[in-house]
Amino acid sequence: QSALTQPPSASGSPGQSVTISCTGTSSDVGRYNYVSWYQQHPGKAPKLIIYDVSKRPSGVPDRFSGSKSGNTASLTVSGLQAEDEADYYCSSYGGNYNVVFGGGTKLTVL
Amino acid sequence: QVQLQESGPGLVKPSETLSLTCTVSGDSFSSYYWSWIRQPAGKGLEWVGRIYSAGNTNYNPSLKSRVTMSLDTSKNQFSLKVTSVTAADAAIYYCARGRNNGDYFDIWGQGTMVTVSS
Repeated sequence: QSALTQPPSASGSPGQSVTISCTGTSSDVGRYNYVSWYQQHPGKAPKLIIYDVSKRPSGVPDRFSGSKSGNTASLTVSGLQAEDEADYYCSSYGGNYNVVFGGGTKLTVL
Repeated sequence: QVQLQESGPGLVKPSETLSLTCTVSGDSFSSYYWSWIRQPAGKGLEWVGRIYSAGNTNYNPSLKSRVTMSLDTSKNQFSLKVTSVTAADAAIYYCARGRNNGDYFDIWGQGTMVTVSS
């Protein structure tokens, strides 16, 4: 199984919106609605922010939203805040009881 | 409040076996998928594998021949063994609770760094 493809970096100014893409294949992202997103601050463990493509766990601000079209999933962060600066990883069920992660995107708040 | 805590040696010699344990506190151990995920320094996340509370296991195909997971329900612990380690196995190892079919992870441990060196 190959890693999902994410852009290495993304950026935006406070208050703006930014979208991070996550491209897989018809065997993972395209086949299952089991895409999740994680936020990781330096030196910290990842934190779940989106699951099942677009669902938010309790406590995650609604500024974070997820979607999917074909083999590509997306994470949109609206109303960017300084604390949103972090690494973001997507993940998908890959079939055959496997899970595959993306390579990660470093989000910079300008 | 569910908490996960990894433990184990931080240094392993090349060709030897890496062994880690994750202790789960604050909730039932049952009906969840318990996973290991690793992150080499400065790199992305890699799913290592998972064990269901009933004992079924699934491993990353790229690691399958070297990985074994087990659980001890009496201690609310699950464990990871990776045999024949090389420098490529050096990473922060996280244990995590998997939901749905184990495809997403809602609770993570703080992670433990494993170095491979003689």
